Amino acid sequence: QVQLQESGPGLVKPSQTLSLTCTVSGGSLNSGGYYWTWIRQPAGKGLEWIGRIYTSGTTNYSPSLKSRVTMSVDTSKNQFSLRLTSVTAADTAVYYCARADGDYPWGAFDIWGQGTMVTVSS
Amino acid sequence: DIVMTQSPDSLAVSLGERATIYCKSSQSLLYRSNNKNYLAWYQQKPGQPPKLLISWASTRESGVPDRFSGSGSGTDFSLTISSLQAEDVADYYCQHYYGPPLTFGGGTKVEIK
Repeated sequence: QVQLQESGPGLVKPSQTLSLTCTVSGGSLNSGGYYWTWIRQPAGKGLEWIGRIYTSGTTNYSPSLKSRVTMSVDTSKNQFSLRLTSVTAADTAVYYCARADGDYPWGAFDIWGQGTMVTVSS
Repeated sequence: DIVMTQSPDSLAVSLGERATIYCKSSQSLLYRSNNKNYLAWYQQKPGQPPKLLISWASTRESGVPDRFSGSGSGTDFSLTISSLQAEDVADYYCQHYYGPPLTFGGGTKVEIK
C-alpha cells in the first residue's frame, strides 16, 4: 500500500528556509487523482493545514502562510516538497505530509507520513 | 476561515461505556450539489500521525472498528465510541474540507475513568 515518508533537516536557523521532502512509496504520485498535502503540529498543540499540490503543479496554500510557502512536485522521483522561508520559532513543529482524495475536489487525509520534527533555533 | 469548535476538551469514560465528542463549524459543511458534509474525524495516539476514522461526516474508513460512528449535518457533528476500549485512548480531531483553508478542531483527549 501507499506510504509517505518525510525527510529534511531537523534544525533550521531563524530567518532561514525550511525545506522538506515527502517520498511516496508503494504507488505513483500520478495515479488516482490525489492531492498531496503538508500539515504541521506544534508540540502539544493542534493541527494546521499548510497547503496542497496536485501533480499538475496546481497549488493551494493557507492564507496565513501563503507569502512564505512554496510547494513543488517531482513525479520522476515520486516526491513532493515544501519550502517555508523566513522561519521563526513559531514554525517549530512536527511536519506531516499526507494524501487527500481529489475527487470532490477536496477530501479527507487518508494516508499520512510519520512526521518529522523541525526546530527553529540558532 | 471556517472555525471548528470541539467539545469537551477532555473526556474520561469507563471501559465499555459510551464516549461522545462534539464538533461545531462556523458555517455549514453541507455541499448542496452532492448532499455531502465535508467533515472528517481523526484519531491521534502519542508519537503517531493522525489516523482517518470517518469521512463525509459518517463514512467509516476501511478497518475502523464499528464502535466508532459519526453523525450530524450542516454545522453540528459528533463522533461516538459506543463501547470504549483501552486502545481508544487518544486525541480526536474533527476537520473540515469544504474549501481552503482547511481547518481542524482543537482536539478532544479521551481517557479511561
